Amino acid sequence: EPEVTQTPSHQVTQMGQEVILRCVPISNHLYFYWYRQILGQKVEFLVSFYNNEISEKSEIFDDQFSVERPDGSNFTLKIRSTKLEDSAMYFCASRAGTGPYGYTFGSGTRLTVV
Amino acid sequence: TQLLEQSPQFLSIQEGENLTVYCNSSSVFSSLQWYRQEPGEGPVLLVTVVTGGEVKKLKRLTFQFGDARKDSSLHITAAQPGDTGLYLCAGSTSGTYKYIFGTGTRLKVLA
Repeated sequence: EPEVTQTPSHQVTQMGQEVILRCVPISNHLYFYWYRQILGQKVEFLVSFYNNEISEKSEIFDDQFSVERPDGSNFTLKIRSTKLEDSAMYFCASRAGTGPYGYTFGSGTRLTVV
Repeated sequence: TQLLEQSPQFLSIQEGENLTVYCNSSSVFSSLQWYRQEPGEGPVLLVTVVTGGEVKKLKRLTFQFGDARKDSSLHITAAQPGDTGLYLCAGSTSGTYKYIFGTGTRLKVLA
């Protein structure tokens, strides 16, 4: 069964450093997403991406965050200057289309900012 | 801001019991999904419902979408330890590409 692959599975970074989280979505999917889940809290929407541009973003997705699909297969989330409160599980997801298509989520990257 | 409240937050039951989890909102959704999440993993889609009043079954799991498309329920019959996990509902309103997730129900089924 096709899957969404995320790397790394765990990243520890110092506050103020830049991090890039990587995702390889399912190849024929058109819509890509980043969500995050702070430990013990709910899954929160960050950004959606379609046709090589951001289609929606949440209030969390401020100027410190950016997304890119540099080569048609990878989908990356960059956090420019990490803060302690960025520590969370970050999930990439993709779907085939809009409408009643479910997300396929990756296994996540656990980001720990120290 | 859309809010999806799930109840109960936590549920611990014995194997063989039945249970129902609720997902409520004041917003009308064009579609609603249920996911199950294991620790350290991403959510896995169980079902999508799109029509008010729709009922879908997945083995021992029955999902219902409210007539007004503002709420949903998940009923598990004869729960098994393998049903243990975090159950999440997620709704999408028209004109948006995203799903907003509920607060989650953590289910533990004891053998």
